[in-house]
Amino acid sequence: IAGITQAPTSQILAAGRRMTLRCTQDMRHNAMYWYRQDLGLGLRLIHYSNTAGTTGKGEVPDGYSVSRANTDDFPLTLASAVPSQTSVYFCASSDSNSGANVLTFGAGSRLTVL
Amino acid sequence: GQNIDQPTEMTATEGAIVQINCTYQTSGFNGLFWYQQHAGEAPTFLSYNVLDGLEEKGRFSSFLSRSKGYSYLLLKELQMKDSASYLCAVRDSNYQLIWGAGTKLIIKP
Repeated sequence: IAGITQAPTSQILAAGRRMTLRCTQDMRHNAMYWYRQDLGLGLRLIHYSNTAGTTGKGEVPDGYSVSRANTDDFPLTLASAVPSQTSVYFCASSDSNSGANVLTFGAGSRLTVL
Repeated sequence: GQNIDQPTEMTATEGAIVQINCTYQTSGFNGLFWYQQHAGEAPTFLSYNVLDGLEEKGRFSSFLSRSKGYSYLLLKELQMKDSASYLCAVRDSNYQLIWGAGTKLIIKP
């Protein structure tokens, strides 16, 4: 089934630990995104990539890093987790060359930092 | 600053019609999106408006007025499975998506 796979689904992490959230898509979309979703707030963009080999900063990039070595994979790394990074993280992808550039989302990764 | 406003929560009855409003103030406009998000799941695309007017897609319709910075999502013949959050998002002049906090729709039998 075509789509986006995120892992892990859920994780509890001690503050100060390093964590990588994985994201893989099989739709050959050129653009990929990482969002966080917190109660009472809209989705906030962390980092994005318009094409393999390039990345850019979103609205809330501090404390996070990404890489885009190929079209399919877009991992998000928290170098040293802090409690304020407790959130639900969604990876998304799109064909940014299409008119509407509709985002397709993964199922999300729920991260709790203690 | 950029802002998307939508009601936090709405309640409606099964079989009825509900209208979810979204007002926006953004630097430029390159399209407005509605997504549906069931609890604990990913947002899924519902509709896209870039020109003024009504777009109809089955039981769901979306309306846009660019001059008023206003959109609504109309859901007809409500079903229990329509209980979800509905997210409004606007693409600004930099082609970045600005998201509203979402409207939680509760359907009662």
